[in-house]
Amino acid sequence: LAKTTQPISMDSYEGQEVNITCSHNNIATNDYITWYQQFPSQGPRFIIQGYKTKVTNEVASLFIPADRKSSTLSLPRVSLSDTAVYYCLVGDSGGSYIPTFGRGTSLIVHP
Amino acid sequence: KAGVTQTPRYLIKTRGQQVTLSCSPISGHRSVSWYQQTPGQGLQFLFEYFSETQRNKGNFPGRFSGRQFSNSRSEMNVSTLELGDSALYLCASSFIAPGTGSYEQYFGPGTRLTVT
Repeated sequence: LAKTTQPISMDSYEGQEVNITCSHNNIATNDYITWYQQFPSQGPRFIIQGYKTKVTNEVASLFIPADRKSSTLSLPRVSLSDTAVYYCLVGDSGGSYIPTFGRGTSLIVHP
Repeated sequence: KAGVTQTPRYLIKTRGQQVTLSCSPISGHRSVSWYQQTPGQGLQFLFEYFSETQRNKGNFPGRFSGRQFSNSRSEMNVSTLELGDSALYLCASSFIAPGTGSYEQYFGPGTRLTVT
């Protein structure tokens, strides 16, 4: 199982770009990297997924270096509503996969 | 498409009782996973069902069980409830694209279980 390490918390201000990095040194060849966002008392929400290089969608970008031992979630121009916990997961859909969410990164966006 | 739905949303039970929670996945999704979330332990994986078979299981006692029906709907059962079972129980559905390894999960709103 690929173990992930993220910062426990981060602070930012409205309008800034936020980058959250996740380390996953023992990522396997078939593993994908997935990020989720969770607000209090709600289920996590899928943000973005990638395998290598860069992936971008309407809410975020995901940067994955060539060695894939880390990944960075980039949130452009955050707003107060981006205050949430962000989780990085590593794994693949085949075989035995136990999704391990860890503690995530608590992002607080200040006015 | 409708999202993942879970019923009931809130539940209060007494120690020793049993409880059944229900989850309806997104149409076309055949994988359903269950999670327990508590302030102390965070978000923990319970088990996953795919095509009516349990595919993976987390580290929880046998009091926690589940099943999946032919329409992909799933139920989770907890027997002999303990105070420590008070938690938010989340269900997630996935469309697993064969051979790709991609594993996006879509979560429901959860069932808040309180054991007194």
